Amino acid sequence: DTEVTQTPKHLVMGMTNKKSLKCEQHMGHRAMYWYKQKAKKPPELMFVYSYEKLSINESVPSRFSPECPNSSLLNLHLHALQPEDSALYLCASSPRPAGTSGSSYNEQFFGPGTRLTVL
Amino acid sequence: DQQVKQNSPSLSVQEGRISILNCDYTNSMFDYFLWYKKYPAEGPTFLISISSIKDKNEDGRFTVFLNKSAKHLSLHIVPSQPGDSAVYFCAAGFQGAQKLVFGQGTRLTINP
Repeated sequence: DTEVTQTPKHLVMGMTNKKSLKCEQHMGHRAMYWYKQKAKKPPELMFVYSYEKLSINESVPSRFSPECPNSSLLNLHLHALQPEDSALYLCASSPRPAGTSGSSYNEQFFGPGTRLTVL
Repeated sequence: DQQVKQNSPSLSVQEGRISILNCDYTNSMFDYFLWYKKYPAEGPTFLISISSIKDKNEDGRFTVFLNKSAKHLSLHIVPSQPGDSAVYFCAAGFQGAQKLVFGQGTRLTINP
């Protein structure tokens, strides 16, 4: 298995809803990432997990709550979102977290994304 | 402050010809660079990378050139094929760090 999968592909939610995005990889990668991408903009990093521990939080509002239950799974829990949070949410993984042996090139492999619409 | 810039939002090239996508960066501390390709409704796909200790890296039809003094990198695709039509992002990072900084992307269209 050489891909990153994300579910659901599309999600529409109201501002009072609670929902979760799911990301999965079975490549044995030990770093996983959440990005947000708005139309015609580059991906923006939100969170990084290294060895299942949160290592980077790019000052993301608390209405986004990441979780890494094991080395293959990454979740993003959503609560009380705003319409401006509508975007494509991308998950990525890389073989080894930065700073570990052999991690000099940190190619990240992306999933197809979840298109989120907040009404 | 946009540290990685792709100044051409779009590029149109004839099939079989060379496509050249450009990327400029401002932070001289970046020491590795990557190119990603993105089709609509899909995530970015890694294409090729280059370390700052090199000035060229080649993989099949794709070659990346790095000019450190000009803080400029380019991706050459030759020959261009219709399946190369996509948005191309360059990204920069620091070895030993996990954050990548992406450019705005260039939409490449290959015309038959």
